[in-house]
Amino acid sequence: GQQVMQIPQYQHVQEGEDFTTYCNSSTTLSNIQWYKQRPGGHPVFLIQLVKSGEVKKQKRLTFQFGEAKKNSSLHITATQTTDVGTYFCAGPKSNYQLIWGAGTKLIIKP
Amino acid sequence: EAQVTQNPRYLITVTGKKLTVTCSQNMNHEYMSWYRQDPGLGLRQIYYSMNVEVTDKGDVPEGYKVSRKEKRNFPLILESPSPNQTSLYFCASSLRLAINGELFFGEGSRLTVL
Repeated sequence: GQQVMQIPQYQHVQEGEDFTTYCNSSTTLSNIQWYKQRPGGHPVFLIQLVKSGEVKKQKRLTFQFGEAKKNSSLHITATQTTDVGTYFCAGPKSNYQLIWGAGTKLIIKP
Repeated sequence: EAQVTQNPRYLITVTGKKLTVTCSQNMNHEYMSWYRQDPGLGLRQIYYSMNVEVTDKGDVPEGYKVSRKEKRNFPLILESPSPNQTSLYFCASSLRLAINGELFFGEGSRLTVL
């Protein structure tokens, strides 16, 4: 069946270092969404990518959608403590369902 | 303020005692959905609703029921809760998932079944 693999499961970084999470789908996606969940919080929508090869930036966050629309990445430059949380990707499984990656937990080393 | 409201936020109950988790959205969204989140398993969809009186099973519907009698409300019913339903539950809504996929999540309901 359709799968979305997200890696790594965890990433420990020093504050100020960069962070990247990757999503790989077994099928071509019409779009991909990214969400952030702070510790103890709920998922919050960050962005949706639709076009092949699309790159979008939100301040220190850079989102990419692969040319084949089967993979995507989220890169955070110079992480801050406010970036801590779990980042999820999600793509359409049907008109009414999303298929979710398992999430990448960003941990800032003390 | 646009929001999805879930109640209760925390609940401890016992096996077999029926409970309902309410979900209400004030954004006139057509689409609503319930997810459960368990460590290491990510977000798994329980049920979803495309519009009033239209619901369908998600990936893990066993042991749950839903109804959508009004556009704004989408309660999750556990007729006979069991310990394996101990989880963090999220309700989410979207204007129309297929067209504008952004999901708005409630703050979550942490359920413990003893």
